[in-house]
Amino acid sequence: DAGVIQSPRHEVTEMGQEVTLRCKPISGHNSLFWYRQTMMRGLELLIYFNNNVPIDDSGMPEDRFSAKMPNASFSTLKIQPSEPRDSAVYFCASRLDRVHEQYFGPGTRLTVT
Amino acid sequence: AQTVTQSQPEMSVQEAETVTLSCTYDTSESNYYLFWYKQPPSRQMILVIRQEAYKQQNATENRFSVNFQKAAKSFSLKISDSQLGDTAMYFCAFDNTDKLIFGTGTRLQVFP
Repeated sequence: DAGVIQSPRHEVTEMGQEVTLRCKPISGHNSLFWYRQTMMRGLELLIYFNNNVPIDDSGMPEDRFSAKMPNASFSTLKIQPSEPRDSAVYFCASRLDRVHEQYFGPGTRLTVT
Repeated sequence: AQTVTQSQPEMSVQEAETVTLSCTYDTSESNYYLFWYKQPPSRQMILVIRQEAYKQQNATENRFSVNFQKAAKSFSLKISDSQLGDTAMYFCAFDNTDKLIFGTGTRLQVFP
């Protein structure tokens, strides 16, 4: 059984460039979550979707961040333009709501220089 | 607002010994879920154990068990027979049916 898949695993980009992170949730799961992890702020929820609909995006830091979930098997998190302070590990997680357990992908380590 | 507090930034234990990691939380909800996640150096977040607030019985998964004290809003993790592979960051998390709220983590080092 494949877990949550994220790509790329590592991304290094220059300030001002557009960055797109991708996530494929576990098949059958109906909620998807994007988190950011930094040393200073720990694990932060950025946005979550339920049945492909964004439910809570209050954690999205600013308009430079956007997320989409065009179908049940794919989601993207885009940063445009990127800044050095966006450097972090970004996790995607999915959940089958009635079970209440979130399963995380391996994360994408983003470095913005 | 719900909060999760892990007051031990770092812990260490010798292999084969038992260690307990502390977690407290604050909520006005009566029904919720609590989790412990492990993050080894590979950075993968791994679900270790879960507890439903409506269940009085403490959850157990092999060498991992919890001490859930609902009135005290306490949810500690006990690791028995510690192994070198248990070396990791451990995060306590609270689920109020839609979002996970994480503590700041405890770094556990298991020594041979």
